[in-house]
Amino acid sequence: KQEVTQIPAALSVPEGENLVLNCSFTDSAIYNLQWFRQDPGKGLTSLLLIQSSQREQTSGRLNASLDKSSGRSTLYIAASQPGDSATYLCAVPFGNEKLTFGTGTRLTIIP
Amino acid sequence: NAGVTQTPKFQVLKTGQSMTLQCAQDMNHEYMSWYRQDPGMGLRLIHYSVGAGITDQGEVPNGYNVSRSTTEDFPLRLLSAAPSQTSVYFCASSSTGRSRTIYFGEGSWLTVV
Repeated sequence: KQEVTQIPAALSVPEGENLVLNCSFTDSAIYNLQWFRQDPGKGLTSLLLIQSSQREQTSGRLNASLDKSSGRSTLYIAASQPGDSATYLCAVPFGNEKLTFGTGTRLTIIP
Repeated sequence: NAGVTQTPKFQVLKTGQSMTLQCAQDMNHEYMSWYRQDPGMGLRLIHYSVGAGITDQGEVPNGYNVSRSTTEDFPLRLLSAAPSQTSVYFCASSSTGRSRTIYFGEGSWLTVV
């Protein structure tokens, strides 16, 4: 059974710093990995989808990397802003249409 | 541009009552799913559907029922509510394929007393 772990569960950093969020998975036979953002009281918003054939995917200040062999993905946020405060979740597919989610990292950017 | 719409947003039920959480999407997506989110446990898949008339069980299906009579709608029924079903429920939809973007509704907060 695929297990997805995100450590730490919570992270606080001063505004302007670059930061890295971590995601680990136990079964490396995945074809993609997705990062989502969740604001309090809201649903999830897809940030980046990285295919297994890719090593990195970028969107604005966000960069996601994927290393299948080590079972790890990172989400890099450059020049953090208070608006980046949210919970970030990663998810990997099992079967064709189902996702296994990590429990998330709650990020707080301190102004 | 509604996306995925869930109703109700908040609901309090008594143990043993039944209710239906509604989910509708206007993007003509084939794939729809229901998740529950509990503290420390992340999102867990309850049921999913790959098209009208086709549904299947996810990781935690017990106590829930679904149907998919149209492409747009995917209601989740709680048959006899239990306190263990107190949770936040999310509906999601996407097209099929490995590069799809998944769209989530804003959640339904359910408390069973």
